[in-house]
Amino acid sequence: NAGVTQTPKFQVLKTGQSMTLQCAQDMNHEYMSWYRQDPGMGLRLIHYSVGAGITDQGEVPNGYNVSRSTTEDFPLRLLSAAPSQTSVYFCASSTGNQPQHFGDGTRLSIL
Amino acid sequence: DQQVKQNSPSLSVQEGRISILNCDYTNSMFDYFLWYKKYPAEGPTFLISISSIKDKNEDGRFTVFLNKSAKHLSLHIVPSQPGDSAVYFCAAIPRAQKLVFGQGTRLTINP
Repeated sequence: NAGVTQTPKFQVLKTGQSMTLQCAQDMNHEYMSWYRQDPGMGLRLIHYSVGAGITDQGEVPNGYNVSRSTTEDFPLRLLSAAPSQTSVYFCASSTGNQPQHFGDGTRLSIL
Repeated sequence: DQQVKQNSPSLSVQEGRISILNCDYTNSMFDYFLWYKKYPAEGPTFLISISSIKDKNEDGRFTVFLNKSAKHLSLHIVPSQPGDSAVYFCAAIPRAQKLVFGQGTRLTINP
């Protein structure tokens, strides 16, 4: 029972580099989302998807792109990394009105 | 503008005593509230929730109280155990699935 799987767990990038954070869930959940966690800020919603082919912006979407071509996968893309994007990123999924299940996070550092 | 606030960044409680974690919100459109628990290097895990039509929900050692007039909710843990040491996030939902998180409270249970 894998649940929500995020890869990689750690990544260091240089400013301007691009990268994709992967998220996969095996629970057939229709809803998936990406959050970032910063000190003193809690978790903030970046983008979310209510089903394959449907995405929408959250609270802090700038600098990030997403797509949802399958139910299982919801990758988060940084096209040109900036130091302000240094954070811990969490992917989550859920179905119906059930609470979200979270992955273990990706710790990203932008130099 | 922080719609969900946890004003205590940390709390220290003796084992066996009651832990009370507090959360305030500003948006009267929130109608569902959740508490998540997070250990280091792991994603948040769902703990307990409450609908706005209730004022109390209990699950074992965990009880969540909601005071809608004060826009305040609290999580009570009785008795507190060392394994309860973690960061606790409260979250609210204004509509389906778009969680809004507080900043988190780090709870330490002292033996």
